[in-house]
Amino acid sequence: DTGVSQDPRHKITKRGQNVTFRCDPISEHNRLYWYRQTLGQGPEFLTYFQNEAQLEKSRLLSDRFSAERPKGSFSTLEIQRTEQGDSAMYLCASSLAYGNSGNTIYFGEGSWLTVV
Amino acid sequence: RKEVEQDPGPFNVPEGATVAFNCTYSNSASQSFFWYRQDCRKEPKLLMSVYSSGNEDGRFTAQLNRASQYISLLIRDSKLSDSATYLCVVNGGADGLTFGKGTHLIIQP
Repeated sequence: DTGVSQDPRHKITKRGQNVTFRCDPISEHNRLYWYRQTLGQGPEFLTYFQNEAQLEKSRLLSDRFSAERPKGSFSTLEIQRTEQGDSAMYLCASSLAYGNSGNTIYFGEGSWLTVV
Repeated sequence: RKEVEQDPGPFNVPEGATVAFNCTYSNSASQSFFWYRQDCRKEPKLLMSVYSSGNEDGRFTAQLNRASQYISLLIRDSKLSDSATYLCVVNGGADGLTFGKGTHLIIQP
């Protein structure tokens, strides 16, 4: 399978604990995105990387959230001191982009987080 | 005003009928437009890109009206398998792709 892969697929954690999600993009893709989706809503942009550089961060990305893509390949999204409001599906996506041209992004299957 | 607006539905449509969705966007600088399909508890998957000249892919037709800032999706001869949520997606802002909340479609036998 050469698509975007995410791990873990499901995570249940207690409030206050830290969680980390990993994303492996499609191998030749230089852009990697993180989105969050809650029930009845469309995906909401969190952040994106071009290679290893984090170029945009949404206002939704509070100080408890941090994302990295150290070698320009896989990425991690960490949530510290989780809150019940963090419960959502965290979607990773990747694309092959040239400059500011429009690009098609491909999503992973998502990581479901439940904070209890 | 929300950046991308869609009628959430649900649209209940008999099998074989034609159904159309519209979506409006607020950023006039938007450059790329897409329709994604999302099944329940699954990830969004690209259905089709939307071009200024309009484009067709089998039973699906997408159109873009830049002057009025809306995008449409037409599904002809609807199938039971078309039941899903259809997400309107716009690219052009600083935050990458902006998704609408989706339109829920239910095809009834």
